[in-house]
Amino acid sequence: RKEVEQDPGPFNVPEGATVAFNCTYSNSASQSFFWYRQDCRKEPKLLMSVYSSGNEDGRFTAQLNRASQYISLLIRDSKLSDSATYLCVVKVNNDMRFGAGTRLTVKP
Amino acid sequence: EPEVTQTPSHQVTQMGQEVILRCVPISNHLYFYWYRQILGQKVEFLVSFYNNEISEKSEIFDDQFSVERPDGSNFTLKIRSTKLEDSAMYFCASSQGLARQTGQGTEAFFGQGTRLTVV
Repeated sequence: RKEVEQDPGPFNVPEGATVAFNCTYSNSASQSFFWYRQDCRKEPKLLMSVYSSGNEDGRFTAQLNRASQYISLLIRDSKLSDSATYLCVVKVNNDMRFGAGTRLTVKP
Repeated sequence: EPEVTQTPSHQVTQMGQEVILRCVPISNHLYFYWYRQILGQKVEFLVSFYNNEISEKSEIFDDQFSVERPDGSNFTLKIRSTKLEDSAMYFCASSQGLARQTGQGTEAFFGQGTRLTVV
């Protein structure tokens, strides 16, 4: 089983749509969770950390279910600028493991 | 805003040559990482470094690879005898470690990457 698994997509959605990404991880000792965003040929950049109680940042909502070892990211009212690859990242101690990423394209 | 810097941005080398990729992590960070990303593929972990030693490495990080922190600021990845399949984007990252208040790991910040092309 892969350490971090994501639905690769691609997700093609119209502007204004709501889209959800899922991620599962295999190591129950994982301590910290993040969503990163990666634009084409650029470095990954932190989108948001994921906390046990769930957290929201504007149009973005992240959820964590430790029992199911599952993380999600919800994007509401998608914008053209949201088009990117979204990477689920799991940290065990201080070592980070990346999912393969989910490609999102938002169309006019 | 502090940032991770990597040099060079693009390196072309002949197969069999040695390359050194350089990184300057954020100054108060304690954990340093190298990742690689082959074009169109996922970000792959190579190695993590803490307290002047490797803390973990992946199967990719074999004897061909080495890391060094030669002074207080630089963090280098050396690839000996490069192969065609080493062509990729190499990202350096750094993080502070565990957050004191929450005990959660803090996020890592990435450099802009070095595109290595082996010909």
